[in-house]
Amino acid sequence: NAGVTQTPKFQVLKTGQSMTLQCAQDMNHNSMYWYRQDPGMGLRLIYYSASEGTTDKGEVPNGYNVSRLNKREFSLRLESAAPSQTSVYFCASSARTGSPYGYTFGSGTRLTVV
Amino acid sequence: GQQLNQSPQSMFIQEGEDVSMNCTSSSIFNTWLWYKQEPGEGPVLLIALYKAGELTSNGRLTAQFGITRKDSFLNISASIPSDVGIYFCAGQNYGGSQGNLIFGKGTKLSVKP
Repeated sequence: NAGVTQTPKFQVLKTGQSMTLQCAQDMNHNSMYWYRQDPGMGLRLIYYSASEGTTDKGEVPNGYNVSRLNKREFSLRLESAAPSQTSVYFCASSARTGSPYGYTFGSGTRLTVV
Repeated sequence: GQQLNQSPQSMFIQEGEDVSMNCTSSSIFNTWLWYKQEPGEGPVLLIALYKAGELTSNGRLTAQFGITRKDSFLNISASIPSDVGIYFCAGQNYGGSQGNLIFGKGTKLSVKP
C-alpha cells in the first residue's frame, strides 16, 4: 500500500549533467503530475499526464521532459541541469484529471544543482 | 492563469491557541481542498469541500467553502506541536486540464510548546 513512490530522495548534480526522476503509483490512477516546490512559491505544475500515452505542459515546463512509461510510471528528465532547477520535486497522482478527490503526493526528491 | 491568494504566509503561535487561515480567488471553484505538508514529506489531504457554504470538520480542523465559491477558510482549534507544517489550499474545477488543482502558496505554521 505504498501510494506514490519517488526515487531518488536526494540528488546533487553538477551544472550541465542530466538525470531522470522516477515516480510510480500503485493505486491504478489514470492521471499523474510533476510539481516543483520552491520557498515562497508554493507548488508549481511542471507537466502532467491525464492518461497513459498523453502528456501536457504545466506552468513551468522549460528545461524538463517527461515520459509516461505505462499507467503506473511517470518520469521527469532534466537534460542539462541548471542551478535554477535546484528545488524539491513532487510527483502526484489522481484517479483522473478533474477528480474531485484531490491528489496523492509522493514524499519528494530534493535536487541540488551546483 | 488562475491565482489563489493564501494568507497569512506564516504564523507563530503558542500551543493551545486557535489558528485561522484563508484562501481567496478571483474566479470560482467547484471544489476546495486543504493539504498539510510536514517537513521532508509531500502534502497530505486534510479536508475536501464540494458545495458552497459547506462546513466540514476533521478532528480539530474545520474548513468552510465560501458562499461566493471564491474563497475557503481553515481553522485549527487548540493547536498542538504536531500541527507544525505548511498548509496549502487548492481549488479545482472539473473536466479536462481545467480540472488540475490550483494551489495557494501555503501558510507555514509554527507552534511553540
